[in-house]
Parts: sequence; structure tokens; C-alpha cells
Amino acid sequence: DGGITQSPKYLFRKEGQNVTLSCEQNLNHDAMYWYRQDPGQGLRLIYYSQIVNDFQKGDIAEGYSVSREKKESFPLTVTSAQKNPTAFYLCASSGGLSGITDTQYFGPGTRLTVL
Amino acid sequence: SQQGEEDPQALSIQEGENATMNCSYKTSINNLQWYRQNSGRGLVHLILIRSNEREKHSGRLRVTLDTSKKSSSLLITASRAADTASYFCATATSGNTPLVFGKGTRLSVIA
Repeated sequence: DGGITQSPKYLFRKEGQNVTLSCEQNLNHDAMYWYRQDPGQGLRLIYYSQIVNDFQKGDIAEGYSVSREKKESFPLTVTSAQKNPTAFYLCASSGGLSGITDTQYFGPGTRLTVL
Repeated sequence: SQQGEEDPQALSIQEGENATMNCSYKTSINNLQWYRQNSGRGLVHLILIRSNEREKHSGRLRVTLDTSKKSSSLLITASRAADTASYFCATATSGNTPLVFGKGTRLSVIA
């Protein structure tokens, strides 16, 4: 059963706490991405990684951190420095010959609520 | 960063009717992609059209691309209630930069 998994589906945290969102893929894709989606809005890119041990900031990286120690995994940490972290977070991957301009495959998302 | 903009923001039609959504963008692209998102779920890729292509079909979907007008349209024919979702365009510019997504069109198909 190939695809991208994100866990947990729902996450509640107190203000000021760091929280890590999991993203795993078994598609053998090189590139992985993290997006944030607010209600009624499009996707905004947080971070992306084209290869293991390398990643780049997206449009809204402040208050977030990532790691890419394995090809299959790209966890996102939402730090206490992120001023408004409540949102829907989507992870994606791509692996075609066109690299990061190719089709992306998305996970089911994690809804984070900070109380 | 460059962003495709979908139009209209929301669309409500009767089952069986056709639905047309448009996407405009600002700079030259390598390809343009359309995705669908059901409420509370991840996005699903629908179709990719390259800058040297003018039209592509996939089942009930038809996508056109006009690079001179920097615009694309997604047509869903004979819509069904199950087509109710948000539809996003994403543009890939030349070079090593990732896709940029628009804000989407919310389609409601009423049975």
C-alpha cells in the first residue's frame, strides 16, 4: 500500500509548546514538502527538501524547523516562535524526472490546534 | 512569489451541468497543474499540462492552456454531486523552484 502518511490526524497543544508532525512516504520520492493551509485559503510552502540531508525554506519558514535524515521521512516541528500555529498542515512528495516541478502526491493532513 | 489565481472563488451548479474554472498567472511557466481537495483531506493531482501543450483531456476533465494570455481553464463536464470539492491550480516556473498554488475555487454540485 504505497503513499504518504501523516500522523496524527488531529493534534492539540498548549501555547508555548513545540510540536512535531510526522510525514512518511514509501513512494521512493526524492523531494518532500510541507504546506500550511488556513481556512478557505490556498497552500503556502513552509519547507521543502530535494534530497536527504538538505532542505530549503519556503515562503513562510519562520517559526518552523525540519530535518531530512532519511529519504522516507520529513518531520516538521512547529516551535513556540510560530505566532499563529493553528492550521491544517499538508505533507507532499514528488519523484518524477522533472524534479520539484513534477506532480506532487499529498498526505491526508494534520490539523493542529493550539489552545 | 508568483501565484496562480483561480476564478471564480466559488461556484454552485446543478448536477449534470458543466463547471468551468479559470487560473491566471503572472510569469512564464514550465507546466501548470490542477488538483482537487475534498473537505479536510489532502490534495489529489488531476492533470498536468506543459507549456507547449494547448489542451488535455482526462475522462470528464478538459484543461486548456493559453500561454499568450497566461491563463488556463478546467472544465468538468456532466458534473456530479461527488465533484463537490475545492480545485487548485499550481504553476511550475522554469528553473529549480517548487510549485506555487493558488487559493482555489470551491465547487458545489447540487443534486
